[in-house]
Amino acid sequence: EAGVAQSPRYKIIEKRQSVAFWCNPISGHATLYWYQQILGQGPKLLIQFQNNGVVDDSQLPKDRFSAERLKGVDSTLKIQPAKLEDSAVYLCASSPRFSRRSDTQYFGPGTRLTVL
Amino acid sequence: AQSVTQLDSQVPVFEEAPVELRCNYSSSVSVYLFWYVQYPNQGLQLLLKYLSGSTLVKGINGFEAEFNKSQTSFHLRKPSVHISDTAEYFCAVSDRTGFQKLVFGTGTRLLVSP
Repeated sequence: EAGVAQSPRYKIIEKRQSVAFWCNPISGHATLYWYQQILGQGPKLLIQFQNNGVVDDSQLPKDRFSAERLKGVDSTLKIQPAKLEDSAVYLCASSPRFSRRSDTQYFGPGTRLTVL
Repeated sequence: AQSVTQLDSQVPVFEEAPVELRCNYSSSVSVYLFWYVQYPNQGLQLLLKYLSGSTLVKGINGFEAEFNKSQTSFHLRKPSVHISDTAEYFCAVSDRTGFQKLVFGTGTRLLVSP
């Protein structure tokens, strides 16, 4: 089966510009996650969807970050406006069921964002 | 809230040597424990996970980990590493109720040289 797809793979923008990342999870997966991975750190959860509803966005900087999951499938994460500290790899992951704590998450290759 | 500590940021080792990557966690409740591996330019991939039962967990690619509740540790081991094991390894924890929320450590870079 196809894995989690993300695009673009790399993005370079100036600070205060806007940027959007796209994720297509594994077909049929109910739960979708967005993580931010800053260099030298582990991934940090930004937002979690179950189908097209948000179940956890407690660590999403809502003044500049937004995310949606269209029809419970694809998802888009947006940053507007970007700051220097947003430079990171943005990872998308999905899991098959309704987010049981024991589930395996399947990760995409990530989008590397550089803010200049 | 949970936290994970991976004290070794980098572990160099020669091919065919054994290796242990250390992971300690902190939690006031029972947890599930995971090890994920990240190869260069790829996403994270599950190596193994501890849910319950036997404290020795076997995973893919010859890796295993042992859950030690008294020491709150979940160290990853492999008896003989290969060049292809060069990657970043992340330990993660999730509590056992509600929605899954993985908390990751900062990672350990395993460097295998000939």
